Amino acid sequence: DTGVSQDPRHKITKRGQNVTFRCDPISEHNRLYWYRQTLGQGPEFLTYFQNEAQLEKSRLLSDRFSAERPKGSFSTLEIQRTEQGDSAMYLCASSFDTYARYNEQFFGPGTRLTVL
Amino acid sequence: AQTVTQSQPEMSVQEAETVTLSCTYDTSENNYYLFWYKQPPSRQMILVIRQEAYKQQNATENRFSVNFQKAAKSFSLKISDSQLGDTAMYFCAWYGGATNKLIFGTGTLLAVQP
Repeated sequence: DTGVSQDPRHKITKRGQNVTFRCDPISEHNRLYWYRQTLGQGPEFLTYFQNEAQLEKSRLLSDRFSAERPKGSFSTLEIQRTEQGDSAMYLCASSFDTYARYNEQFFGPGTRLTVL
Repeated sequence: AQTVTQSQPEMSVQEAETVTLSCTYDTSENNYYLFWYKQPPSRQMILVIRQEAYKQQNATENRFSVNFQKAAKSFSLKISDSQLGDTAMYFCAWYGGATNKLIFGTGTLLAVQP
């Protein structure tokens, strides 16, 4: 399978704990995106990377959130001191930047986070 | 700021019939793209169909077609000959301007009944 993969698929944690999610994009894709989807809502943009550079961050990404893509391949999203409001599906997507006006984003299956 | 609105939280259709999902959006950009994504239960989101705003012709992909009304900022999805596998959450999304992110609506949950 050469699609976008995410790990873990489900995570249950207690409030105040730190959690880290991983995303492996499609291998030749140089752009990687993180979105958050809460119940009853569409996905909301969090951040994106062009290779290893983090080029844009949403205001949703508080200082408790940090994302990295150290070698321009896989990415991690860490949430420190989790809160119940962080409970959501965290989606990763990747695309290949060809300087076309739009390059299709391919989504992973998501990591569902539940904060107790 | 761009917004995408889907006013139908849930819809139901009988197998083999046709259903139309509605979407409106607001933008001041001239160049943008519109999309319909499908998110089946517990499965990843996939692109169903896309429309470039500069193209007047409505996009079609097999049983899926759109009605793009640029002046009205309306972008509806028509599913013909509905199949049980079409049961999913459908999201309308916008992309354009200087942004590199998709902006999604709240989704429409479509149930295809046998």
